[in-house]
Amino acid sequence: GEDVEQSLFLSVREGDSSVINCTYTDSSSTYLYWYKQEPGAGLQLLTYIFSNMDMKQDQRLTVLLNKKDKHLSLRIADTQTGDSAIYFCAESNQAGTALIFGKGTTLSVSS
Amino acid sequence: DVKVTQSSRYLVKRTGEKVFLECVQDMDHENMFWYRQDPGLGLRLIYFSYDVKMKEKGDIPEGYSVSREKKERFSLILESASTNQTSMYLCASSLFGAGNEKLFFGSGTQLSVL
Repeated sequence: GEDVEQSLFLSVREGDSSVINCTYTDSSSTYLYWYKQEPGAGLQLLTYIFSNMDMKQDQRLTVLLNKKDKHLSLRIADTQTGDSAIYFCAESNQAGTALIFGKGTTLSVSS
Repeated sequence: DVKVTQSSRYLVKRTGEKVFLECVQDMDHENMFWYRQDPGLGLRLIYFSYDVKMKEKGDIPEGYSVSREKKERFSLILESASTNQTSMYLCASSLFGAGNEKLFFGSGTQLSVL
């Protein structure tokens, strides 16, 4: 079945870049997603990339997709303390009816 | 902005109780979902619904049922709560199939079963 893997923790200093990595199994997913969960809140869509793209940039966020290796990454430039959160990578299930989420990467930003 | 509202932020129930978790969305979305979130396990799909009175099992439906009598409301039911159902429950909705549409999440219900 589908599976999405990501590392559980990342710790960076304020102003540094953060890179969160994800691997997925289902290459039929049309889009791949990054969701952000702040403490005490539900998830919010942060960004997404169409599977035919290699890269997408959105202000401080850069998403890289290596379809051959089924590897997705999220780079946050100039990381701020407000970026501290859990970041989830997600892909569609094979039926295209629901999203499969990774376990989430907890990003901790120290000043 | 789309709003997905979960009726309770925290719930404490006893083993064996019947528990209802309610979720309401205000944007006329077709699809609604229930996930549970556990530390180290991420989000796991329990059930989803793509239309009124329709439901589909997700990855971990055992011990749960759902009800969707109206488009805007999707209820998760624990027929006989057990301690291993202590978790954060997240409701979400999307306009069409979730594969290519973004999900909108509620703030979650932290359920403790004692």
